[in-house]
Parts: sequence; C-alpha cells; structure tokens
Amino acid sequence: DSGVTQTPKHLITATGQRVTLRCSPRSGDLSVYWYQQSLDQGLQFLIQYYNGEERAKGNILERFSAQQFPDLHSELNLSSLELGDSALYFCASSVVTSFTDTQYFGPGTRLTVL
Amino acid sequence: AQSVTQLDSQVPVFEEAPVELRCNYSSSVSVYLFWYVQYPNQGLQLLLKYLSGSTLVKGINGFEAEFNKSQTSFHLRKPSVHISDTAEYFCAVSDKKNTGFQKLVFGTGTRLLVSP
Repeated sequence: DSGVTQTPKHLITATGQRVTLRCSPRSGDLSVYWYQQSLDQGLQFLIQYYNGEERAKGNILERFSAQQFPDLHSELNLSSLELGDSALYFCASSVVTSFTDTQYFGPGTRLTVL
Repeated sequence: AQSVTQLDSQVPVFEEAPVELRCNYSSSVSVYLFWYVQYPNQGLQLLLKYLSGSTLVKGINGFEAEFNKSQTSFHLRKPSVHISDTAEYFCAVSDKKNTGFQKLVFGTGTRLLVSP
C-alpha cells in the first residue's frame, strides 16, 4: 500500500459525458501527478500540481483539467469523453525535496467509455 | 527532452533462473533513473532508483540495477526469479535539471513471465 488513494476504482460511462477522478496523496506529500496508461500510448504524464498550483503539463488534452485543493487532494476532470479516453488513470504523489523525489503511485482508476 | 527505450516487450524465464531487463535512455542533461513494477490489476510500485553516487543500486525483492553513463543504460537484474515476479516492469527517467518538479518519462514496459 503506497498511501495514495484513488476513487473510484472503476468507472463506466458513455461518449460525450464528463467524469471526475479523485486522488488523495500520501500524508505530507505536497506534489500530485496524474498519468494515463493506455494500450496504444503507454504511460503518459498528464499534469502536476504542487501545493495547489499547477507546476508542469504533459500530454493533457484540452478536454481534461485538474486541480489541487487546500487539503491537497486532487481531482482530474475529463469532459466530452471519447472512446479513446478509455484507460487507466494513475495519481502519484511525492514529497518534493532535492534527493527524495520518488513518486508513490495509487492503484488507479480504470475508465471505460462506451 | 528525455526518452526511454525498453528493448524487450516480453521476457520469458524459468523459475530460479537469472534475468536482465534492458533499459536505455536518451537525455541532453543529467537524469534520475527509476524502475517500477506493475503487478496484474495493480498500480505501479517503485523497485529502485538511481539519484547519484554508486552506480549499482539495490532495490526491493532482490532486484538491482546498474547505471552506465557511457552506454546510457540502466539495466535491471535479479539473480534468481520467482513465480511471483511475473509482472510488467517500467524503466523511467527524470530530468535532474528540474529537481523538485520532475516529470517522469516512461519506457513502454517489459513483461516478465516466470514459469515453473
């Protein structure tokens, strides 16, 4: 158990819909990262938040957005869903210091778009 | 920008045999290197990491990896595998230049299949 929690575990929805994925980082971790794992794209970094502020952006679509709240939990919002958005979405957290930047991953949310 | 190449998509091996999973990276700056394992239907778990210092890094579950700067490699090894090591293994690299706000770049993964 990494200490990172993600809800829901599974999500099935239809094209055109909007969903919200939730992540709670490990206690004390200020940084939250979102990743997408799909069969065709592999593991891709989407976005990072540090203490409530967006810090880095990866291959995140404009239909996707995220935020980190004052209690440090984070939400990833996916809208106008397409079949190709079906994937496993991981959240990770880290302490963010100069030599202990290990990211700890949650169990993931499996999104299926029908 | 960094990139990671995992040359083998699948590695079959018998139980108690040694195994090496290969990883090569490309980067214009110094990097941190990581190996993660993903067991079926689970999230990623950190096996080991190279930040600096000794090039031989020991991780959990008997795994180790060696950083070779001249060959830009970070191969993962285990002298004797168990059935329970069957999983997907991902090599990842992070840019040292942006310490503290790292973005992990992953390889495509290597599926290790251990059979009796």
